[in-house]
Amino acid sequence: EVQLSESGGGLVQPGGSLRLACATSGFTFTTYAMAWVRQAPGKGLEWVSSISGDGGNSYYTDSVKGRFTISRDNAKNTLYLQMNSLRVDDTAVYYCARVHVVCIDSWGQGTPVTVSS
Amino acid sequence: IQLTQSPSSLSASIGDRVTITCRASHDINNVLAWYQQKPGKAPNLLIYGASTLQRGVPSRFSGSGYGTDFTLTISSLQPEDFASYYCQQLNSYPLTFGRGTKVEIK
Repeated sequence: EVQLSESGGGLVQPGGSLRLACATSGFTFTTYAMAWVRQAPGKGLEWVSSISGDGGNSYYTDSVKGRFTISRDNAKNTLYLQMNSLRVDDTAVYYCARVHVVCIDSWGQGTPVTVSS
Repeated sequence: IQLTQSPSSLSASIGDRVTITCRASHDINNVLAWYQQKPGKAPNLLIYGASTLQRGVPSRFSGSGYGTDFTLTISSLQPEDFASYYCQQLNSYPLTFGRGTKVEIK
């Protein structure tokens, strides 16, 4: 069974940093691209970032470029999102997601991030 | 690529046929997925490749379209289908979602 489990969310002040982690199991991690998708309170889904299976290619939505860094440890089957210079509008539930070529076929349960003073 | 999803909400009764549309600003080569999301839960994949039903998804869900215009249809709405629905294009970065359609009980 495919399992994705996020951790690391919480309350942080504007300008602060957080590192999200997504522990995975039940599939061959290195053969899948992975992504982070977020959802602000009461809003729709927003793709944040993706990384290729070997970690060699990464992509970001414009609003997080230069502030967020996606990475993966294929030996630990874990995906990360380092978030720096956090802003109030980064407040959201952050989902870890498995990308299966033309869709996201598995999602974690989400971890909430609140940026507030 | 912008995805324009409509309507943003709709009210329907059990047994109704429901249609949600998603229009892309450019040709996305049918690399379009549909997701269902219930309150407080992660999204769930329904359709990929514009028209392929994900394993385990009831056959009352179907997807169609090509190029820039796509449709999600629920042939006979069931109580468990009241939820929000999103389209997503994965043809090119940045990946984008439609703004969602909330299906409510009439």
